[in-house]
Order: sequence, then C-alpha cells, then structure tokens
Amino acid sequence: AQSVTQLGSHVSVSEGALVLLRCNYSSSVPPYLFWYVQYPNQGLQLLLKYTTGATLVKGINGFEAEFKKSETSFHLTKPSAHMSDAAEYFCALGTNFGNEKLTFGTGTRLTIIP
Amino acid sequence: NAGVTQTPKFRVLKTGQSMTLLCAQDMNHEYMYWYRQDPGMGLRLIHYSVGEGTTAKGEVPDGYNVSRLKKQNFLLGLESAAPSQTSVYFCASSYPGDLYEQYFGPGTRLTVT
Repeated sequence: AQSVTQLGSHVSVSEGALVLLRCNYSSSVPPYLFWYVQYPNQGLQLLLKYTTGATLVKGINGFEAEFKKSETSFHLTKPSAHMSDAAEYFCALGTNFGNEKLTFGTGTRLTIIP
Repeated sequence: NAGVTQTPKFRVLKTGQSMTLLCAQDMNHEYMYWYRQDPGMGLRLIHYSVGEGTTAKGEVPDGYNVSRLKKQNFLLGLESAAPSQTSVYFCASSYPGDLYEQYFGPGTRLTVT
C-alpha cells in the first residue's frame, strides 16, 4: 500500500529564514511525488512535481524539492521565507501503474513570523 | 478559462436533508475527482471518474453518490446528510497526458446541523 507522511502539522519560521517541510513516502513501485499549496479559503495549487529524471525539482515561488530514493523522502525547501508563503502544504504520491489517483499527506501549516 | 468551478461555495443542511454539489471544468479533462478535507486528515478521495459515464469509489465513498453524465461536469450527491459529513469538499480534474497534475476548484464548505 502507498502512504505519505508529513512530519510536523505546524511549522513556524521567521521571515527570511530557511523553510523546510518534510515528506516521506512508502511505495512498492517507482513513485511520482508532488507538493501542493493551499492558501486560505482556496483550492490546492501545484507547487512542483517529480516524475522521472532530475531528482532536484524546482517549482514556483522559489520552492524546490529533492527526491531521495534511499531515504524515501521528498522534502520541500525555500532558502528565504516570505510572508506570502504562509499557507498549508500537502505532499502527494502517485504511481504510473494504471493508477490515476493520488495519495495525499495530512498537510503542514506554515506560519511566517515577521 | 475558468478552470474548475464548484457550486455552491457554502451550504448549511439539516440532518437528513439532501443536496447536490456541482463541479464543472472547461479544460476538456478526462478525469475528475471529489475529495473531502477535514482538519488533521488531509484530503480523502470520495469518488472519481475516468471518463464520461464512468465513476469509481475512492477511500471514503459511504453516504455519497456521484454522476458524470457530461464530460465537463461531475456531481456529488448527499442523499441523507449527517453531521459527520460536515467538511470542505474539493473537486479536481486531470488529463491523461499528465495524469497526476490535478487542478482543484475553490471548494464548498458544507455544514450539517
């Protein structure tokens, strides 16, 4: 069975500090991995995705994530937090084996401290 | 393009009442999904559809029904609402060329009293 674990339901960082949101996955087949962001009272937007190829993936708004197979991780980072980054972030897992569904993590709420 | 739209945005129901949530997409996507979002539980898939006239159960299908009569629309029905169905409901769509990039609607906040 596939699963996604996001460590830390709430993360607070100071403006200008490094953002690190953790995601670990479990999959018996090669995974596709995604980060989505949800701003207050909005739907989810795709931030970035890893399917195949380069393991360091860059997304919108200065975010990036690195796929580490040996650690079964796909952590999201941003070098310098902005107030506008305050949102909830979801890691999601899919596979390319006739399965069109995604498995979502429980989310991490990011707060930016001025 | 409007993308994915959901109607209504808010609704309050009494226990036992019924209602239908409408999702529409103008991107010609084959696949459509209904999720519910509850605090601390992330998004859970209720039902999904891989094409017009087809539907399938997701993780939490009990108490809900769906229909996909037109490619652009995906309806979620609650026949007899229960307080446990108080949630925020999201619709999403995707296309075969990039199956896993799902496009989400703005959500419907449903309260069942």
